[in-house]
Amino acid sequence: DQQVKQNSPSLSVQEGRISILNCDYTNSMFDYFLWYKKYPAEGPTFLISISSIKDKNEDGRFTVFLNKSAKHLSLHIVPSQPGDSAVYFCAATVLASNTGKLIFGQGTTLQVKP
Amino acid sequence: GAVVSQHPSWVICKSGTSVKIECRSLDFQATTMFWYRQFPKQSLMLMATSNEGSKATYEQGVEKDKFLINHASLTLSTLTVTSAHPEDSSFYICSARGLPTLTHNEQFFGPGTRLTVL
Repeated sequence: DQQVKQNSPSLSVQEGRISILNCDYTNSMFDYFLWYKKYPAEGPTFLISISSIKDKNEDGRFTVFLNKSAKHLSLHIVPSQPGDSAVYFCAATVLASNTGKLIFGQGTTLQVKP
Repeated sequence: GAVVSQHPSWVICKSGTSVKIECRSLDFQATTMFWYRQFPKQSLMLMATSNEGSKATYEQGVEKDKFLINHASLTLSTLTVTSAHPEDSSFYICSARGLPTLTHNEQFFGPGTRLTVL
């Protein structure tokens, strides 16, 4: 049962343009969402997060949007840079459970072309 | 962000031997550490959760006697793969978090350990 889904395994974008990575979830109990960036043979790096009490969180070039009614979140990267090329994972958790367990999507490989 | 280290970064061992992987939080106290496994081109799968000073909680399907977890201090957790077999070959990643708040629950990940069992 895949509770967090990233339906696009890959995305290719031109440098300077916007990258939009999507993530859907099924568990309505999730109340905190995170995006991680990962290079091969390295651990994920935290990028940005959003609580379910918000619908948008922005940090520099990265903005995460949350649509609770649609159980959908997206990560926008503007402008995209070649160094952004990596695998992006969205993750979700239930803060109230206090277990800290993160459920990860399958990942989307972003390629930013110069 | 917070720094989490793992050691070793790469280990090759013979089938039947045991391998210990260390996970350290370098600049914060980690009340909880998590161990994940990632197979090629797949997502990170949570194996177990360890809280300092208590027994680890294992996810369904993960053998607790095979994957021994010790969280002896607020900065160190170890994963020991006992009697390793080739199917245990994988990329093992730990993460750590401090005390969560109502609005923040970031986990910080180590660089991972590539285990190859021959």
